[in-house]
Amino acid sequence: ELKVEQNPLFLSMQEGKNYTIYCNYSTTSDRLYWYRQDPGKSLESLFVLLSNGAVKQEGRLMASLDTKARLSTLHITAAVHDLSATYFCAGHAGGTSYGKLTFGQGTILTVHP
Amino acid sequence: KAGVTQTPRYLIKTRGQQVTLSCSPISGHRSVSWYQQTPGQGLQFLFEYFSETQRNKGNFPGRFSGRQFSNSRSEMNVSTLELGDSALYLCASSRDAGNTEAFFGQGTRLTVV
Repeated sequence: ELKVEQNPLFLSMQEGKNYTIYCNYSTTSDRLYWYRQDPGKSLESLFVLLSNGAVKQEGRLMASLDTKARLSTLHITAAVHDLSATYFCAGHAGGTSYGKLTFGQGTILTVHP
Repeated sequence: KAGVTQTPRYLIKTRGQQVTLSCSPISGHRSVSWYQQTPGQGLQFLFEYFSETQRNKGNFPGRFSGRQFSNSRSEMNVSTLELGDSALYLCASSRDAGNTEAFFGQGTRLTVV
């Protein structure tokens, strides 16, 4: 059964700094998702990573996937306050998993001035 | 293009009652998945429907059930509500069964008192 673990679970950053959130998964996952959630809100899709070595960037966020290491990273460059949110990674085990996504615990990111 | 619509947004129910939540997927999407989000357990998969068929089910008791209609709209029902069922219930829609990006609705916040 696919298990997904994120670290760190809490991240307090200063504006302008860089940091990385790590997402490890236990078994083969045929794709990896990153979502953002603001307090009391739903999940906003950030990235879908489909293959080994995939890298996607949007603004100050960049996500990558290493299927051999079973690791995805979400790198934050020059953080700004608007990036404060909870970030989730989610894996899809493929095969008969159909629509099931397995989520990590979430990383609560707080960006301070 | 309309997003995923969940109704109602908020519900307060008493222990022992039952509740029905509704989800209208993005037009053209045939897969609907349901997730429960709580502070303690995080995001947990409930079930997934595709073309009116339940294709996958998470580890929840039989009190949790769902269905999908021919127009792809989905409902989930929770009977004999318990305090622990208080959660944010999220619905996600995707074009195919487990094959594409999942988009989430705003969620239904259920409080059981």
